Amino acid sequence: AQTVTQSQPEMSVQEAETVTLSCTYDTSESDYYLFWYKQPPSRQMILVIRQEAYKQQNATENRFSVNFQKAAKSFSLKISDSQLGDAAMYFCAYRSANTGNQFYFGTGTSLTVIP
Amino acid sequence: EPEVTQTPSHQVTQMGQEVILRCVPISNHLYFYWYRQILGQKVEFLVSFYNNEISEKSEIFDDQFSVERPDGSNFTLKIRSTKLEDSAMYFCASSNIIGGGELFFGEGSRLTVL
Repeated sequence: AQTVTQSQPEMSVQEAETVTLSCTYDTSESDYYLFWYKQPPSRQMILVIRQEAYKQQNATENRFSVNFQKAAKSFSLKISDSQLGDAAMYFCAYRSANTGNQFYFGTGTSLTVIP
Repeated sequence: EPEVTQTPSHQVTQMGQEVILRCVPISNHLYFYWYRQILGQKVEFLVSFYNNEISEKSEIFDDQFSVERPDGSNFTLKIRSTKLEDSAMYFCASSNIIGGGELFFGEGSRLTVL
């Protein structure tokens, strides 16, 4: 089974600054999707950003961008101009494009935004 | 905006009891999932459901667990004879396509087994 590793259980960032959350994964497949989900306290997980493995260009959604390094199997999330509302648990997730339809999640990174 | 809803938000039960967790997926979605998250651990896949049958399940999803879509709108997870280690947050999710489609999650049902 694929594994997703988030090596930073907790991170903090000053408001308006930039923070990068790390994620690595292990797979033998060449075609897959990667996701970052945000889970605010007592709320459901919502999609932040998605990357297709066949695309070389890094995905960007407003203040959120990824650094996708396919050879290194790395998929980090950069949050620019951090806001108080960005405080949440962030999960990295992997989904095969070919085999099965389940998501594999990392253990999450808890992000604190300091005013 | 359509969303996945789950009930109850929190359930406390005695070990050995049966629990049913309910979910209402987004109405035009075809794929349904249950995940669980034990406190402090990763979100784990339990089961996926499509076309009124299980399409995939994990090793966790043994005979103790079952899922059902009884009426075309609800999607339930039944846990028989609950154990202490079943205490977790259970998330329902749905999607309208597989592959790169995102999952839409509910807020979760926290199960506490005493």
